[in-house]
Amino acid sequence: GEKVEQHESTLSVREGDSAVINCTYTDTASSYFPWYKQEAGKSLHFVIDIRSNVDRKQSQRLIVLLDKKAKRFSLHITATQPEDSAIYFCAASSNNRIFFGDGTQLVVKP
Amino acid sequence: NAGVIQTPRHKVTGKGQEATLWCEPISGHSAVFWYRQTIVQGLEFLTYFRNQAPIDDSGMPKERFSAQMPNQSHSTLKIQSTQPQDSAVYLCASSLVGANTGQLYFGEGSKLTVL
Repeated sequence: GEKVEQHESTLSVREGDSAVINCTYTDTASSYFPWYKQEAGKSLHFVIDIRSNVDRKQSQRLIVLLDKKAKRFSLHITATQPEDSAIYFCAASSNNRIFFGDGTQLVVKP
Repeated sequence: NAGVIQTPRHKVTGKGQEATLWCEPISGHSAVFWYRQTIVQGLEFLTYFRNQAPIDDSGMPKERFSAQMPNQSHSTLKIQSTQPQDSAVYLCASSLVGANTGQLYFGEGSKLTVL
């Protein structure tokens, strides 16, 4: 089955800097790649997604890049703010199942 | 729109007891997913319903776990003879269509503690 690896377990940045979280996947059939955010003590909340027919998508300060050849995708958060601090999960969808990475704890320091 | 509703939010059981967790998906959503979240294992897929029919239960521990969706407004996850290793946050999510095509809306989770 699909295996999603999230390379950074923790990431610390200064407020205003950019943060990049990298993920890889194994199943070439995966075609949908969502990202979820989990704030402390709360559940997962969708933030952005990308489908395999494009290689870049932007929503305000969030940019997702997809490299299908390398089976790699990444989330870029620009101009980080303290409220961006959370655990971010990348995921890949294959056969109607969503496989999640282990999460990246992002800390934005003032 | 109240979102996905999960009950109970917290449940404490003794080893060997039964636990039933409830999920009410967002009205109109045809897909319901159950996940388990622990520090050690992360987010584990358990099972998936589409239009109330079980589609994929490959993540379910076979012997003691069962899930049902008797109608479009709720799903249950039942754990028989609970063990300490079952302690986790159980997350229910729903989506308009399948997992391939749209975002999942997660409930707040049911935290199960098995003593």
